[in-house]
Amino acid sequence: AQRVTQPEKLLSVFKGAPVELKCNYSYSGSPELFWYVQYSRQRLQLLLRHISRESIKGFTADLNKGETSFHLKKPFAQEEDSAMYYCALYTGGFKTIFGAGTRLFVKA
Amino acid sequence: EAGVAQSPRYKIIEKRQSVAFWCNPISGHATLYWYQQILGQGPKLLIQFQNNGVVDDSQLPKDRFSAERLKGVDSTLKIQPAKLEDSAVYLCASSQQAGGTYNEQFFGPGTRLTVL
Repeated sequence: AQRVTQPEKLLSVFKGAPVELKCNYSYSGSPELFWYVQYSRQRLQLLLRHISRESIKGFTADLNKGETSFHLKKPFAQEEDSAMYYCALYTGGFKTIFGAGTRLFVKA
Repeated sequence: EAGVAQSPRYKIIEKRQSVAFWCNPISGHATLYWYQQILGQGPKLLIQFQNNGVVDDSQLPKDRFSAERLKGVDSTLKIQPAKLEDSAVYLCASSQQAGGTYNEQFFGPGTRLTVL
């Protein structure tokens, strides 16, 4: 079955602390994975995709096929990083599957 | 460029009533998606259009939900009759095309539906 699991509903860290939002997926094919973010009162938007191997707003994510994971990391969290984060799996063809999301709260 | 537009932003209805949502995608985007997002869950795809054809409606409860995309631009999603469990945010998204290489989806602000 195709599935995306984000085990943490809420993650709270202090400003300047490292942050890691976990994402695990289940897919038999070659996955394309993404992180979408929704800031307060804003629309859901793409943050980064694993193919790009880029760092966006200091965030990076590495696809680990052995562990079927795509965790999102940032070495030093900022208050403006507080948002809802969704991991998403593209299965090719036409379907994108979203995880349930993790709310990140960065405390001052 | 203008983003994806949706209306209304909020809707409150009683169970068994009907409701319709409207979406205008980004100009030139061939693919349009409707998602249902229940509180505490991620978006779940209901239906996906490529131009004005349906490419995936496997998770659309067809006994009460219907959607159309006339002329391959605007789209409407209808619920008739509504049930309590339909209370959710309905998101519309669009992308340049689907299939093959992933194309970024651009989301609208959503319509929050409350069924009493």
